[in-house]
Amino acid sequence: KAGVTQTPRYLIKTRGQQVTLSCSPISGHRSVSWYQQTPGQGLQFLFEYFSETQRNKGNFPGRFSGRQFSNSRSEMNVSTLELGDSALYLCASSFGTVGDEQYFGPGTRLTVT
Amino acid sequence: QQPVQSPQAVILREGEDAVINCSSSKALYSVHWYRQKHGEAPVFLMILLKGGEQKGHEKISASFNEKKQQSSLYLTASQLSYSGTYFCGTDNLSNTGNQFYFGTGTSLTVIP
Repeated sequence: KAGVTQTPRYLIKTRGQQVTLSCSPISGHRSVSWYQQTPGQGLQFLFEYFSETQRNKGNFPGRFSGRQFSNSRSEMNVSTLELGDSALYLCASSFGTVGDEQYFGPGTRLTVT
Repeated sequence: QQPVQSPQAVILREGEDAVINCSSSKALYSVHWYRQKHGEAPVFLMILLKGGEQKGHEKISASFNEKKQQSSLYLTASQLSYSGTYFCGTDNLSNTGNQFYFGTGTSLTVIP
């Protein structure tokens, strides 16, 4: 079956702009989680969506938001971009039961200049 | 709340064994292990659940000490393909969903 897909794969934005990233989970998976990966901070949890509702949230400012659609596809939005937002953004999907393995997408590499 | 992994980096020769440790300051429901190769997404290896249930690979095993809030990943007879960065991910107790805290990572390099 098809894996998790993310679009776009690469993005260059300017400080102050906003950006929307997209994630399509594996068919049948209802949970989508988003992570930010940087060399300094490692993999950090942003939020998780399950059945169109945000179920868990990490410690990121309100500039980071997301949503999930009825087909489980999810989008993540970052407003008023800062240089420090440059990172690899990964999404992962699962069936949504606690303890389920997550399947990661290839990520979107965001560069803020 | 980020779990701490040790060692930070390890270099092995093919066929050697390795142990990677993951320690959390909070009570855990489950521990997940992932491997990430350079430029690729993390790939699931193993889950250990509270109560002792395990799911994972044949050649990779792990332990989960709920009392000590620790987990260890055991890589036996390492192969070149084992190279990558290993992350543990922890689900804190009483969590209702997938809110993970990933560990600091362990870089493992297997040389011929």
